[in-house]
Amino acid sequence: QKEVEQNSGPLSVPEGAIASLNCTYSDRVSQSFFWYRQYSGKSPELIMSIYSNGDKEDGRFTAQLNKASQYVSLLIRDSQPSDSATYLCAVNKQTDSWGKLQFGAGTQVVVTP
Amino acid sequence: GAVVSQHPSWVICKSGTSVKIECRSLDFQATTMFWYRQFPKQSLMLMATSNEGSKATYEQGVEKDKFLINHASLTLSTLTVTSAHPEDSSFYICSARAQGAGADTQYFGPGTRLTVL
Repeated sequence: QKEVEQNSGPLSVPEGAIASLNCTYSDRVSQSFFWYRQYSGKSPELIMSIYSNGDKEDGRFTAQLNKASQYVSLLIRDSQPSDSATYLCAVNKQTDSWGKLQFGAGTQVVVTP
Repeated sequence: GAVVSQHPSWVICKSGTSVKIECRSLDFQATTMFWYRQFPKQSLMLMATSNEGSKATYEQGVEKDKFLINHASLTLSTLTVTSAHPEDSSFYICSARAQGAGADTQYFGPGTRLTVL
């Protein structure tokens, strides 16, 4: 079992719709969760971090965390063509004192006009 | 805030030569930096963890004598690919871990694309 799992996609979303991305993780004691966006040929950029159960909103993005279910999700509202990218879910490795993150393989999102 | 730079952004070199890549945190101090490698259409692969003032910690399967890491200050880490070969051609990305609140947060540099001929 992979430590962080994401659907690889592609997830095709009409412009203006909501994109819903899911991520599950195996380390029950993980405390920090991140979503990064990576455009083709570019490096990842941080979208959101979330540490507590529940929802966290930032602009058109909402991260949702459920530690009991070991599940973290990202919603993108009013999807735009510029949101077309690969979205990486990352989870801290609690046993690592240096702050290593475990990354999922990423979900490719394609927003169609 | 939380800007990380990398230099060079791309480099082409001949097989057998060495290449040095710099990673700098521009507006924060980073006691820990990470080096990743990414091949086309593949996931990020962590190569090593770089800690200021101490030896780097390498992931399993990464040759420490080939990929030399130096974390000379709280804002600079370097990766040197020694005796590069075509199979080392890849996208090398560093990240820096910010101190303080949300200290597990990693901010990525723009990456360095290495092509070895």
